[in-house]
Amino acid sequence: NAGVTQTPKFQVLKTGQSMTLQCAQDMNHNSMYWYRQDPGMGLRLIYYSASEGTTDKGEVPNGYNVSRLNKREFSLRLESAAPSQTSVYFCASSGQSSYNEQFFGPGTRLTVL
Amino acid sequence: SQQGEEDPQALSIQEGENATMNCSYKTSINNLQWYRQNSGRGLVHLILIRSNEREKHSGRLRVTLDTSKKSSSLLITASRAADTASYFCASISGGYQKVTFGIGTKLQVIP
Repeated sequence: NAGVTQTPKFQVLKTGQSMTLQCAQDMNHNSMYWYRQDPGMGLRLIYYSASEGTTDKGEVPNGYNVSRLNKREFSLRLESAAPSQTSVYFCASSGQSSYNEQFFGPGTRLTVL
Repeated sequence: SQQGEEDPQALSIQEGENATMNCSYKTSINNLQWYRQNSGRGLVHLILIRSNEREKHSGRLRVTLDTSKKSSSLLITASRAADTASYFCASISGGYQKVTFGIGTKLQVIP
């Protein structure tokens, strides 16, 4: 069991470039999440998917799009990267439990120049 | 200000001492969870306390919850250098189980 995997681990973009962050989980979880983590800000929810085929905005969705490709995979796309999107991005998943315990991937460190 | 704010934001103690971290939240919760993050890694779930519980133990961890004050505390007893990490509380609320993370407490345990 790999748990939650994310690719890439590191990425440097120039302003205006686009890229997709990939996330996959092998725990048969229904719900998946994308967070960004910035110093002094904790984790902020960008988008989440409560189940396959559904996606919803979180606290900071502007500048991002997501795709829940299937039950395993949830991708995050930056269409036109901005320096304000420099951050560490975490994907997480949670299962059927009503307690919503989250399992996190190792993160992607993104720098936008 | 953010829901789920931890206090203190940084804590430095000697190995063997106890570490206490506090968390406040703003809305009614279903449960509250604590996570740990080692430097450069993802968060790992430590312990969960339900809204109708007041105290929970897991190994060297003790969590308390005071819903009247909308606060929780995490106590790590007999700390070890390996406990050095950031600790986050996460409040879970609403019918759709919204998760709100705090800004974290950075704990350093000095050997």
